[in-house]
Amino acid sequence: GAGVSQTPSNKVTEKGKYVELRCDPISGHTALYWYRQSLGQGPEFLIYFQGTGAADDSGLPNDRFFAVRPEGSVSTLKIQRTERGDSAVYLCASAPLWGAEAFFGQGTRLTVV
Amino acid sequence: KNEVEQSPQNLTAQEGEFITINCSYSVGISALHWLQQHPGGGIVSLFMLSSGKKKHGRLIATINIQEKHSSLHITASHPRDSAVYICAVQRADSNYQLIWGAGTKLIIKP
Repeated sequence: GAGVSQTPSNKVTEKGKYVELRCDPISGHTALYWYRQSLGQGPEFLIYFQGTGAADDSGLPNDRFFAVRPEGSVSTLKIQRTERGDSAVYLCASAPLWGAEAFFGQGTRLTVV
Repeated sequence: KNEVEQSPQNLTAQEGEFITINCSYSVGISALHWLQQHPGGGIVSLFMLSSGKKKHGRLIATINIQEKHSSLHITASHPRDSAVYICAVQRADSNYQLIWGAGTKLIIKP
C-alpha cells in the first residue's frame, strides 16, 4: 500500500489476555518505530527498529511488552497478560532511514476491559 | 519544565483566518517535526525541518535554530483543518527518540 498500515484498527481484550498488534511499513523503509499514546497525553516512544534488529527497546514499559521485525519489514508488537493501564492508541511509523521524514500509521486503539 | 512547549493549547478561529501555532524547545535538536492528528488517533506527518522554512499548499513551517523556536502557519483556514497539531523534536544526541509537545487543538468554525 501507499502508507503505513496498522491492524487491527481497534482491539478490545479482556484483562490478562495476550494481544498482537501489526504494522506494515512503507515498502523499503528500514526504520520503524512504535509509540503509545494514552488518553490526554502525547505519544510515548516504545521501540525503534533499524532493519531486523531492535536498535533501542528502552521505551518498552516492562517485560510484558515485546516487538519483532523478523524480515525487516512487517513488525508485530506483542503484549502479554494485558492490564487496563495498557489501554492506549499504539502508533507505528516508518522512515527510509533515520533522519528522513517519518510516516505514521493510523494507529491501533487497544482497550483492555 | 517540559522540553517542548506549544502554544496555544487550544485555538478556535473563523474560516479564512490566518492561523499560527508556536513551538519552543530547550534541548539541542537535529530536526523538528510538525504532525497533524485527527479525531480517531491517526497522525500525519506535515513537515520535518532542520532549518529555514517549508511550504506545502496552505501550510507553512518555519524554524529558528538560534532561538529554539518553530511556527506552523495555516493560510485561508478551513473547517477541515480542525485537528490537533503536534510539534516533536529529534534530539541531537539521539537518532531516534522524539520528544513531543502536548499539542494544539485547533477548531475552525465555518
